[in-house]
Amino acid sequence: DGGITQSPKYLFRKEGQNVTLSCEQNLNHDAMYWYRQDPGQGLRLIYYSQIVNDFQKGDIAEGYSVSREKKESFPLTVTSAQKNPTAFYLCASTVNTEAFFGQGTRLTVV
Amino acid sequence: KQEVTQIPAALSVPEGENLVLNCSFTDSAIYNLQWFRQDPGKGLTSLLLIQSSQREQTSGRLNASLDKSSGRSTLYIAASQPGDSATYLCAVKSNFGNEKLTFGTGTRLTIIP
Repeated sequence: DGGITQSPKYLFRKEGQNVTLSCEQNLNHDAMYWYRQDPGQGLRLIYYSQIVNDFQKGDIAEGYSVSREKKESFPLTVTSAQKNPTAFYLCASTVNTEAFFGQGTRLTVV
Repeated sequence: KQEVTQIPAALSVPEGENLVLNCSFTDSAIYNLQWFRQDPGKGLTSLLLIQSSQREQTSGRLNASLDKSSGRSTLYIAASQPGDSATYLCAVKSNFGNEKLTFGTGTRLTIIP
């Protein structure tokens, strides 16, 4: 089936650790995005990439990093510099300006 | 700066009723508007995409309208069913070349059997 796969579904991070969230798509979409969702707030853009080996900061990029070495993959690393990382993270891709989302990863700091 | 508002934050209606969800945006210079559905703990499912040149889009029991000049969109759901219970989000893409989607905070819809 074509789609966007995020893994893991649940992730727990200790203070001071870096963790990486996976996002893979087999839709052959060029553009990919990472959003963060917090209760009572709209989705906020962390990073996006329109082509391989290129990416741009979104509104809340501090404490996060990404790479885009392959068209199919856009992993997000939550670094220890992100002071409030507990949230629901959503990966998306777009074709003809229509956005499609993965099932999300819930990250919790323990 | 584009801002998107969805009111009310929550809505409960009896099964079978028709209902309307609202989305308003502050900057009318949009490229498109998209409606999504989100079930608890899940990702977003695209429902309808309206380009800025369009007035409405329909898919099954869903109809979305767009009035750019007034900064408003509505999602009409006909003959509501318990399976329609979810959070509905709208998002706008502002200006061609700007890749950002600006989201509202959503309306949590409950259909009462």
